[in-house]
Amino acid sequence: DAKTTQPTSMDCAEGRAANLPCNHSTISGNEYVYWYRQIHSQGPQYIIHGLKNNETNEMASLIITEDRKSSTLILPHATLRDTAVYYCIVSAWGDYKLSFGAGTTVTVRA
Amino acid sequence: GAGVSQSPSNKVTEKGKDVELRCDPISGHTALYWYRQSLGQGLEFLIYFQGNSAPDKSGLPSDRFSAERTGGSVSTLTIQRTQQEDSAVYLCASSFRRSGGVSTDTQYFGPGTRLTVL
Repeated sequence: DAKTTQPTSMDCAEGRAANLPCNHSTISGNEYVYWYRQIHSQGPQYIIHGLKNNETNEMASLIITEDRKSSTLILPHATLRDTAVYYCIVSAWGDYKLSFGAGTTVTVRA
Repeated sequence: GAGVSQSPSNKVTEKGKDVELRCDPISGHTALYWYRQSLGQGLEFLIYFQGNSAPDKSGLPSDRFSAERTGGSVSTLTIQRTQQEDSAVYLCASSFRRSGGVSTDTQYFGPGTRLTVL
């Protein structure tokens, strides 16, 4: 899926905030930004999604730039259990065939 | 609440055998999806069920693959005459798919079934 670009990997210290960038410069007006993660040998886990406004839930915050061409997923206090591959995707209403790119491998270190 | 469940979690079979994989979606979810994920690869869409509508089978890789969803809930993915290239993790997801409105629907995944064909 060439709609999003993410760094291949990043490290984060336990207890610190992890900021995961995603570029989606060709995003359409009706496309949402979704974040999922996949911990080793588990199914993908939904984290958060947004359209234009910034969003926050119990897991993370999603900051979307005003032009919507990029976004940042923020894990406020990373723990070792947050070590996973994080996927940023764009998906419009009616798009039900999810497609993950390579994602960002996040390693949280003690 | 209970999430999507799949069984078995692991399945080892011999080439040529048939296998059945089961998915229990989140209660109340109207849409159900099957994907597979090969080692180091991304998601591959297989099939989509929504309510009483005809399923979208466009992702099934061959006629050895079939799926059904009984009573709008539990789904079974069947692979006949398994081949080694069928080895993968088979993932099921469900969502509460609205018929209209501006909100999109979020897919929630199960833990997957790891299929190994010897």
